[in-house]
Amino acid sequence: ETGVTQTPRHLVMGMTNKKSLKCEQHLGHNAMYWYKQSAKKPLELMFVYNFKEQTENNSVPSRFSPECPNSSHLFLHLHTLQPEDSALYLCASSQGRNLDYEQYFGPGTRLTVT
Amino acid sequence: QKEVEQDPGPLSVPEGAIVSLNCTYSNSAFQYFMWYRQYSRKGPELLMYTYSSGNKEDGRFTAQVDKSSKYISLFIRDSQPSDSATYLCAMRISNTDKLIFGTGTRLQVFP
Repeated sequence: ETGVTQTPRHLVMGMTNKKSLKCEQHLGHNAMYWYKQSAKKPLELMFVYNFKEQTENNSVPSRFSPECPNSSHLFLHLHTLQPEDSALYLCASSQGRNLDYEQYFGPGTRLTVT
Repeated sequence: QKEVEQDPGPLSVPEGAIVSLNCTYSNSAFQYFMWYRQYSRKGPELLMYTYSSGNKEDGRFTAQVDKSSKYISLFIRDSQPSDSATYLCAMRISNTDKLIFGTGTRLQVFP
């Protein structure tokens, strides 16, 4: 295991639901990331947090709302999603935003929006 | 035009074969190049990391970068069924940790 855990592993939700994805890293890292992985598309960076501060929002729709209460935990709050939001959502962490720091990925949450 | 192009495969080879995986890119500012391996139901894990043009070897894996052609490759020698996974190339420019990924190539190594 990489030291990055994500829950739930699978989630099915309707377009009117509100749900949250959780990520926890046990590596003592300071930077955390949310990525979206859709079929036949490259991984897309969504959000970056460094020392609990959001440092990047990659033009993500407001129906996705991140939260980083501390350096070990990262949430992605979801509401009024669309079917095209169905994808694998990956969390990653790194020691910092230094160029040489490797990003460690969690196993992802497979989200299906019906 | 996508910034990074990668053939999605699947690529199916017999055990013991030499595998060649490739990516092309359009942004000449990319300076750091990575290969990630992603097993089914897992997140990507970093396999190889290179900075300059040329070859870098690690066991059965060799990463090759040709900046003049904007082309990178990953070679796997003596491929094993355990190498069956999706291989993602990724790259970034200087002074940023923002990774730009390819779509991934699915590799199947059969016994």
